[in-house]
Amino acid sequence: AQKITQTQPGMFVQEKEAVTLDCTYDTSDPSYGLFWYKQPSSGEMIFLIYQGSYDQQNATEGRYSLNFQKARKSANLVISASQLGDSAMYFCAMRGRWGDKIIFGKGTRLHILP
Amino acid sequence: NAGVTQTPKFRVLKTGQSMTLLCAQDMNHEYMYWYRQDPGMGLRLIHYSVGEGTTAKGEVPDGYNVSRLKKQNFLLGLESAAPSQTSVYFCAGGRDEQFFGPGTRLTVL
Repeated sequence: AQKITQTQPGMFVQEKEAVTLDCTYDTSDPSYGLFWYKQPSSGEMIFLIYQGSYDQQNATEGRYSLNFQKARKSANLVISASQLGDSAMYFCAMRGRWGDKIIFGKGTRLHILP
Repeated sequence: NAGVTQTPKFRVLKTGQSMTLLCAQDMNHEYMYWYRQDPGMGLRLIHYSVGEGTTAKGEVPDGYNVSRLKKQNFLLGLESAAPSQTSVYFCAGGRDEQFFGPGTRLTVL
């Protein structure tokens, strides 16, 4: 069975500091994909970044990067130079090789302090 | 382009009533998904579709039915609503990068 774990229910970070949001996963599939989504207080879900399990390099999208450590089964999201607008709920998600299903973690609420 | 849209945005039902949530997309996605989001639970997959005419069960399918008669529409039905179905419902299209609709807030009294 697949599982996504986000162990930080909430985090407070000073503006302009870097942030690391933790995500660990469990799967027996040899091939899978990992995602991060942002949900601001307005409620919409925003796709941030994707990492395939066979990708050689860590995915990056602007200020977002995914620190993929396959042996440790972790896929942490790193936000560089945090901004007030980064305050939101962040979800880690995974898709397995054969499945078309995506499972989500329970999320981490990030608060950026001025 | 409208992207992924959901109708209605809000709804209040009484226990036992039925309703259909509509998800429409103009992005030509083959894959479409219905999720529910409850406090502290993240998003849980209800049903999904990998193409017109196909549907499959997700994590929490009980009490819901879906149909994908046309590629651009994915309908979620509640035949007999229960208070446990009070939730925010999200539709999404796409496989690797999912595009979400704005959500439907449903309350069942």
